[in-house]
Amino acid sequence: QVQLVQSGAEVKKPGASVKVSCKASGYSFSTYYIHWVRQALGQGLEWMGVINPTTGETTYAQHLQGRVTMTRDTSTSTVYMELSSLRSEDTAVYYCARRTSGFDFWGQGTLVTVSS
Amino acid sequence: DIQMTQSPSSLAASVGDRVTITCRASQGIRNDLGWYQQRPGKAPKRLIYAASTLESGVPSRFSGSGSGTEFTLTITSLQSEDFATYYCLQHNSYPWAFGQGTKVEIK
Repeated sequence: QVQLVQSGAEVKKPGASVKVSCKASGYSFSTYYIHWVRQALGQGLEWMGVINPTTGETTYAQHLQGRVTMTRDTSTSTVYMELSSLRSEDTAVYYCARRTSGFDFWGQGTLVTVSS
Repeated sequence: DIQMTQSPSSLAASVGDRVTITCRASQGIRNDLGWYQQRPGKAPKRLIYAASTLESGVPSRFSGSGSGTEFTLTITSLQSEDFATYYCLQHNSYPWAFGQGTKVEIK
């Protein structure tokens, strides 16, 4: 069965970076793009960007350009999302999701807390 | 960029009620729209894709309609497990965009 399993919760200080992983299983990793979506506590869903697992090509939300980097490791079927220069507003649950006419499968979410 | 305007932001309804949620796109997106349900503490779950196609395993009381710029999610005969927050998502062009969400609460 298709699964996207994310890394565990993180607590970071302002200005630091965080790297969240998303390991895919149960399907051909190269076939589907992986997107990242985040959700601040009590807020709505925010699209962050996407990576093509075959080529590594990425597209990012404009307001995150320069701070977000998405990469992949095809040998382990894992996608990574790194966010740098963290600020309190980046405190959120981060989700990876598989693209199929929108998103059909989601990771379980990773809580990133930015606090001094 | 395409903006998605979802309404209402919240509604109170009773079990058995019919509920309608609307999303409007700032420009035409054909039928590149999905509807998602999110319960507290859980990842979103897709209910509808391609504007009107019901996801496998989703109860038939959920339906979607629309094309271009106006889209609707309808829940006929609301059940207790349907109290949740609903989002639309446009995936016609980058940046993809969600509606602001509609919280369906018990009256």
